[in-house]
Amino acid sequence: GQQLNQSPQSMFIQEGEDVSMNCTSSSIFNTWLWYKQDPGEGPVLLIALYKAGELTSNGRLTAQFGITRKDSFLNISASIPSDVGIYFCAGHGRAGTASKLTFGTGTRLQVTL
Amino acid sequence: NAGVTQTPKFQVLKTGQSMTLQCAQDMNHEYMSWYRQDPGMGLRLIHYSVGAGITDQGEVPNGYNVSRSTTEDFPLRLLSAAPSQTSVYFCASSYAGTQPQHFGDGTRLSIL
Repeated sequence: GQQLNQSPQSMFIQEGEDVSMNCTSSSIFNTWLWYKQDPGEGPVLLIALYKAGELTSNGRLTAQFGITRKDSFLNISASIPSDVGIYFCAGHGRAGTASKLTFGTGTRLQVTL
Repeated sequence: NAGVTQTPKFQVLKTGQSMTLQCAQDMNHEYMSWYRQDPGMGLRLIHYSVGAGITDQGEVPNGYNVSRSTTEDFPLRLLSAAPSQTSVYFCASSYAGTQPQHFGDGTRLSIL
């Protein structure tokens, strides 16, 4: 099946620093999504990307859909304590698997003051 | 605005018991799905449905059954619980399978 490799697995950063994480796939994806999960809650959608090369921002978050359609990255600028959580990439594959969402293994972000 | 509602939030079962995890959404979404989340493995798709009366298997369907008799509800059944099914289960929904999904808050299931 399709697999998504997400890195880094965890990050320990200081408040105010910028954060970058990425996701790579062994196959082409038609859609890339980035979710954040807080403890005890379900994932919440941050950014959705639909076209290769697309660059989309949501406040301090910026995500890009890679040109090869096999990767995506998420940047968080000027991190704050509430950015703590687990960030997941996810994607929809090609026809036949388009309705199945594949998730990465997550990046755990911890922010210190 | 309820969104996706999962019940119960926590459950402990003994091996061999049966159980139904409930999921309901009030957004008139056609697509619904069930995932399990285990440490270090992200979310894995168990079963999904593209509309009432239609269900299909995901990545890890064994040991689970689903049905979709209405647009709003998508219950997940464990017929004979096993310790390997200890996990956090999430239900999600969207307008269509290719659209971003909205998740419930999860059911934390422990099987002894």
